Amino acid sequence: DQQVKQNSPSLSVQEGRISILNCDYTNSMFDYFLWYKKYPAEGPTFLISISSIKDKNEDGRFTVFLNKSAKHLSLHIVPSQPGDSAVYFCAATDYGGSQGNLIFGKGTKLSVKP
Amino acid sequence: NAGVTQTPKFRILKIGQSMTLQCTQDMNHNYMYWYRQDPGMGLKLIYYSVGAGITDKGEVPNGYNVSRSTTEDFPLRLELAAPSQTSVYFCASSVPTQSYGYTFGSGTRLTVV
Repeated sequence: DQQVKQNSPSLSVQEGRISILNCDYTNSMFDYFLWYKKYPAEGPTFLISISSIKDKNEDGRFTVFLNKSAKHLSLHIVPSQPGDSAVYFCAATDYGGSQGNLIFGKGTKLSVKP
Repeated sequence: NAGVTQTPKFRILKIGQSMTLQCTQDMNHNYMYWYRQDPGMGLKLIYYSVGAGITDKGEVPNGYNVSRSTTEDFPLRLELAAPSQTSVYFCASSVPTQSYGYTFGSGTRLTVV
């Protein structure tokens, strides 16, 4: 049973427009959420995170929104750039119970067209 | 600063062979992890370690073994390779604070034929 779900395998966006990547989770014990970005033949790299005590965290062009009641988070990229084309993984953890082990979604492949 | 280094990058094994995937980090991170990623799937935790001498199973540990004799190194051992172990393997490390994500290595692509 998937605890972290990314239901869109792929997303295509025009350069300069907004990219919105979605993630749902089922475990109400999760208290910290992260987004990772992965280019082909490389390991995932940490992008942005959010604690369950917040509903928004912003870092430059990247903003993560958390809706705890809906068990949903989203990553907004504004404006999107061709270099943002990659696979984005949503991850979640229950720091209190699992020593920080991350549970990953299947990923969404973002393509930003020039 | 090298971060997390994995070797080899690619390997083809025959069924029944054994091998060790190497992982070393130079950031003095206490926590280390092994994940595998199958095509179209997320990363699944194989084993993890919270410090030298301490290891524990993750979600998919069958067919693998690990050891953690030093803070820097966390090798993953496949004893009897099976086609189901064809995957990309990622090693990662972290510190146990919420502000840090994992630092991943670049991966080992393993094919078992």
